[in-house]
Amino acid sequence: KAGVTQTPRYLIKTRGQQVTLSCSPISGHRSVSWYQQTPGQGLQFLFEYFSETQRNKGNFPGRFSGRQFSNSRSEMNVSTLELGDSALYLCASSLAGLAGGVDTQYFGPGTRLTVL
Amino acid sequence: GQNIDQPTEMTATEGAIVQINCTYQTSGFNGLFWYQQHAGEAPTFLSYNVLDGLEEKGRFSSFLSRSKGYSYLLLKELQMKDSASYLCAVRDPGYGQNFVFGPGTRLSVLP
Repeated sequence: KAGVTQTPRYLIKTRGQQVTLSCSPISGHRSVSWYQQTPGQGLQFLFEYFSETQRNKGNFPGRFSGRQFSNSRSEMNVSTLELGDSALYLCASSLAGLAGGVDTQYFGPGTRLTVL
Repeated sequence: GQNIDQPTEMTATEGAIVQINCTYQTSGFNGLFWYQQHAGEAPTFLSYNVLDGLEEKGRFSSFLSRSKGYSYLLLKELQMKDSASYLCAVRDPGYGQNFVFGPGTRLSVLP
């Protein structure tokens, strides 16, 4: 079974630009969560999508948005990039995203975004 | 709010045993997870506790005390490949059942 895939793996952008990252979950997984990982802040939750609906959102500005398609693939968009957006962006999928239970998240390899 | 604490760095010797602690304060609790993350790679799932006690999985064991908001990951017979960051995460129903991650503990295993 293929794991979680993310594209692109690396991106270099300049301030003010926008970027779109893509995530394909494990087949059958309906929940996709996005995280930002930086050396100073660790792993921080951005948002979660389940059945094409944003179910939860972390404490990030509105410049960060996302969506999920009917095949569970998800995209994340960051507009008006700032230097501080440089980070590793990880997506994780889980089987159902239902409350409770051993609903383990499986992570993709991440997209390394550098903002110059 | 949510707060999860772990030591920043630890060093141990090959073949030894190391215990990585995690304390948490979250608005709710629906399971504690441990992940391993090698440099430049994605986190991978190691273990899960939802009830108090010890869960053993080969060389790795994880313990949970919900009343104390405390967990530890025990790694036995350390190998060089165990050098990695270890992330503690709590699933919080008060946070939409999402995962709140600790800062991670960077473990270095020396020969």
